[in-house]
Amino acid sequence: EVQVVESGGGLVRPGGSLRLSCAGSGFYFGNSWMGWVRRGPGKGLEYVANINGDGSETGYADSVRGRFTISRDNAQNSLFLQMNSLGVEDMAIYYCATAQSAAFDNWGQGVLVTVSS
Amino acid sequence: DFVMTQSPLSLPVTPGEPASISCRSSQSLLHSSGYNYLSWYLQKPGQSPHLLIYLGSTRASGVPDRFSGSGSGTDFTLKISRVEAEDVGTYYCMQALHSPITFGQGTRLEIE
Repeated sequence: EVQVVESGGGLVRPGGSLRLSCAGSGFYFGNSWMGWVRRGPGKGLEYVANINGDGSETGYADSVRGRFTISRDNAQNSLFLQMNSLGVEDMAIYYCATAQSAAFDNWGQGVLVTVSS
Repeated sequence: DFVMTQSPLSLPVTPGEPASISCRSSQSLLHSSGYNYLSWYLQKPGQSPHLLIYLGSTRASGVPDRFSGSGSGTDFTLKISRVEAEDVGTYYCMQALHSPITFGQGTRLEIE
């Protein structure tokens, strides 16, 4: 069974940093595109970033480019999202997902990021 | 700028009746492979989103056949042939052909 499990969320002050992790199991992690999607309070789903299997290709939403970095460690079956210069607009539930056939096909339960002073 | 537009944004439906959601993109989503890079998702209250339809019209594993996706290029539709109470939630379309990936605003389906 394919599973992705996020961790690393929490409370951070504006301007602070946080690193999210996502552990994958039940599939060939090193061969899979992966991504992060978020849903802020009262908002819809928003694409954040994605990365190909070997980490050589990445993509970012305009709203996070230059502040967030997506990366992966295939030896540990892990995906990461380093978030810097966080603002209240980044407060959201962050979901990790596998990507296949131009879609996000398996989603985690999500991790909450709260940005507040 | 690239835009994905869903309609309606709110959809009250009587159980057993059909429902339809439209998704329009400002540029074609037809890839050179012949597939449309358009997918549909449902996020039920309190749950993570899950995939319903990918490549415009292919149902994801485990998705009931009352859900169908159609369309090509810039106009797409998600249809539910007979709405059930468990279909309540917010539906999103997403395009993955043009960078960055973009979601529609979401359509909230509620049972009347």
